[in-house]
Amino acid sequence: DVVMTQTPVSLSVSLGGQVSISCRSSQSLVHNNGNTYLSWYLQKPGQSPQLLIYKVSNRFSGISDRFSGSGSGTDFTLKISRVEPDDLGVYYCGQGTQYPNTFGAGTKLELK
Amino acid sequence: EVQLQQSGPEVGRPGSSVKISCKASGYTFTDYVMNWVKQSPGQGLEWIGWIDPEYGSTDYAEKFKKKATLTADTSSNTAYIQLSSLTSEDTATYFCARRPYFDYWGQGVMVTVSS
Repeated sequence: DVVMTQTPVSLSVSLGGQVSISCRSSQSLVHNNGNTYLSWYLQKPGQSPQLLIYKVSNRFSGISDRFSGSGSGTDFTLKISRVEPDDLGVYYCGQGTQYPNTFGAGTKLELK
Repeated sequence: EVQLQQSGPEVGRPGSSVKISCKASGYTFTDYVMNWVKQSPGQGLEWIGWIDPEYGSTDYAEKFKKKATLTADTSSNTAYIQLSSLTSEDTATYFCARRPYFDYWGQGVMVTVSS
């Protein structure tokens, strides 16, 4: 199985600040069709996860441009700029390139 | 508006089975494969498997092949997951989420295994 390693485990940020979350996969996430199926999700307390970014850098409908994804191969990053209170929660990366699909263990974003 | 409405919380006795539903609306049900994801208390996300509602084809993560059975009813636009031979390790919240990008999620169903 592809292991997804997220760092850091937790992150403290001031409102208006910027943070980066790293996600590394144990194998390349480039699919045979040339696409890289790496997504980012935010799970707010008591809620379902919500899709933020898909295929590395594509923002899902309605997602603020304060969220940006980058990376390739096995190394990926989510950046959040001008952090707002509604951004707090647990962020997960997930891969859909190989079966079984797998997720990182999560990064908890908290207020400093 | 795409919505995935899941059934209510379940309590099952050890060794029994439970069946959870996920009713889709706001899109053509047979156009998208449906995933199922497990989240144990305070833990991360585990992919269980998917079902293609149009053809009824399925795929499962190895550890769930004897635990979960995925089905779909196109007449009611509803996907189901049945969990069998329940143990305490099955106590978790179960989500349905649309493939390929897990773009829409149900609200989750808490399953508690207790005697």
